[in-house]
This record gives sequence, structure tokens and C-alpha cells, in this order.
Amino acid sequence: NAGVTQTPKFRILKIGQSMTLQCAQDMNHNYMYWYRQDPGMGLKLIYYSVGAGITDKGEVPNGYNVSRSTTEDFPLRLELAAPSQTSVYFCASGHFSNQPQHFGDGTRLSIL
Amino acid sequence: EDKVVQSPLSLVVHEGDTVTLNCSYEVTNFRSLLWYKQEKKAPTFLFMLTSSGIEKKSGRLSSILDKKELFSILNITATQTGDSAIYLCAVVFVGGGTSYGKLTFGQGTILTVHP
Repeated sequence: NAGVTQTPKFRILKIGQSMTLQCAQDMNHNYMYWYRQDPGMGLKLIYYSVGAGITDKGEVPNGYNVSRSTTEDFPLRLELAAPSQTSVYFCASGHFSNQPQHFGDGTRLSIL
Repeated sequence: EDKVVQSPLSLVVHEGDTVTLNCSYEVTNFRSLLWYKQEKKAPTFLFMLTSSGIEKKSGRLSSILDKKELFSILNITATQTGDSAIYLCAVVFVGGGTSYGKLTFGQGTILTVHP
């Protein structure tokens, strides 16, 4: 049972480049989430999904896009990378919103 | 605006000390409050609290929720160096024009335990 798997673990991008952060879970969870964590800070919700085909914005959605075509996968897309998007990104999943979430190990992204 | 505030932001203690971490919240339609511990990588779940006044306990850690005063505390007794971590509080609520639950995290408390 792999849990929540994020790839890549590290990435350096140039300003203006785009990339997709991958997230997959094998626990058949309905809810999936993307967070970003800046140094010394808590987690801020970017986007979340309550099931395949349903997504909604969190606190800090600008500059990001998501899709949820299957229960297992929830990729996060950065279209025009900016230095302000340098952060650690965590994906998480859960059966219901009112239940503890399982987190992936994170993707450390630097934009130079 | 929905918000979760943790205090203190950082804390340095010696092994054997007892610490109390605070989490206060202002959200609409509260559902539950969760505590997580974050070491080097992903947060790991500690407690989920939904009812006031009922203490949750796991070894040297315990937590309680006060829904009237809108706060929770996390206690760690006889601290060890392995307790050094960021402790995150998160609140599940329903709001923002949607019926789905959302999770908002506090900024975390950085706990450092010296030998």
C-alpha cells in the first residue's frame, strides 16, 4: 500500500516555464488536496477535489490549475512559473473532509 | 474571514519539561479540529477533536477542545528530543459558498527540545 505518491521530489524551474506536479493515491479516497508550505509557515490550501470531475479553489489558487479525471490522480499545473511559487508542495487525500488526511512526502520546487 | 491562529510560534525547552501549544479559530460551520506533527517531511496525524471537553490522549501527548471559547490545546509532558518538530493545527469547516468541507491550517508552532 503506497499511500499518497508525489513526483518529482525536487525540481528547479526558470521563470515562465510550466510544469505539472503529479499526485496519486491508492486508498480509494474521494477527497484530494494540494497545499503549499513556505519556510517557517503552515500549509495553505491551493485547490481541492471531492471526487472525479469536481474541483474547487482553496486560499491561494492564483497561478495554478488542477484536474481530477480519475479517483486516483490529482495533478497540479503551473502555467507560467514565478519566483513567488518557490515552495514545498504537499498533496493529501482522505475519505471525507472531516477525517484525517494522508500526506505525500512533498515536492520541493525552486523557481529562478 | 476564516482563520486559525497558533501560539506560540516557536518554543525552546529542555528534556523533561511540559509544554502547552495553543490553537484558536474563527470559522463558520465548524466540523472538527486536527493536530499534526511535522518533522522533516509530510505532516503526520496526531488527534482529531470534534466534541468539547473530551480529552484525547496518546502516550505523553494529550489534547482538548473548547468549542465555546473556540480553542484547543496540545500538551506534551516529559518532553524528549524526538518531540522537536512543527506542530500544526487545522480546522475543518463548511463555508465559502460550498457545502464541501474545507481545511484551514494555522501557521504552526516550532518546538525545539534540547537535551
